[in-house]
Amino acid sequence: QSVLTQPPSASGTPGQRVTISCSGSSSNIGSNYVNWYQQLPGTAPKLLIYSNNQRPSGVPDRLSGSRSGTSASLAISGLQSEDEADYYCAAWDDSLHGLVFGTGTKVTVL
Amino acid sequence: QLQLQESGPGLVKPSETLSLTCNVSGGSISSSSYYWGWVRQPPGKGLEWIGNIHYTGKTYYNPSLQSRVTISVDTSKNQFSLKLSSVTAADTAMFFCARLRYTYGLAIDYWGQGTLVTVSS
Repeated sequence: QSVLTQPPSASGTPGQRVTISCSGSSSNIGSNYVNWYQQLPGTAPKLLIYSNNQRPSGVPDRLSGSRSGTSASLAISGLQSEDEADYYCAAWDDSLHGLVFGTGTKVTVL
Repeated sequence: QLQLQESGPGLVKPSETLSLTCNVSGGSISSSSYYWGWVRQPPGKGLEWIGNIHYTGKTYYNPSLQSRVTISVDTSKNQFSLKLSSVTAADTAMFFCARLRYTYGLAIDYWGQGTLVTVSS
């Protein structure tokens, strides 16, 4: 069961900016860090953003994350064909005492 | 470079227990900065957290699976394991082992490649 809600799909043409939302509650996004993952077909997820807005080494700065209240978002600027993938948000939930993932968003590059 | 590798049967019969092991190489499992966990993904569906363990033995489990899940750690072998009992076809999924980094807000910074487990008679 996914506690965090994401739009099922998002799309854009090369070079455009795409934003993915992640909606939660006070027990997860509202009180803990949000992390974002990219999953290419047939592979394990990859960490893109941690602690709301930090990028691990090697992740380009055209990817950015933000959090406000009980929602978070991931922005992809300068959209490229290799950005076509599934994206998941995640956060710790204090009520469930566990990690919760978003429902996932499929990004398509038109 | 840290590597995580899942191992275990790819086919489990209904009502039996699924057992997987994650071998950690390139780093020690005995670090206070990390939790070690399991995530699964049914075919064509999203990610579901199963549970975490710290090298001290402290565990957290998904409430929806808690009655059937056991995660253990073997620091001498630098590995941790998952047992999921009374499996049904709904437990068919790709299972990933993972490292959760405390200082990254419990983000999963390393993933295993995943292993597909099918529940079928």
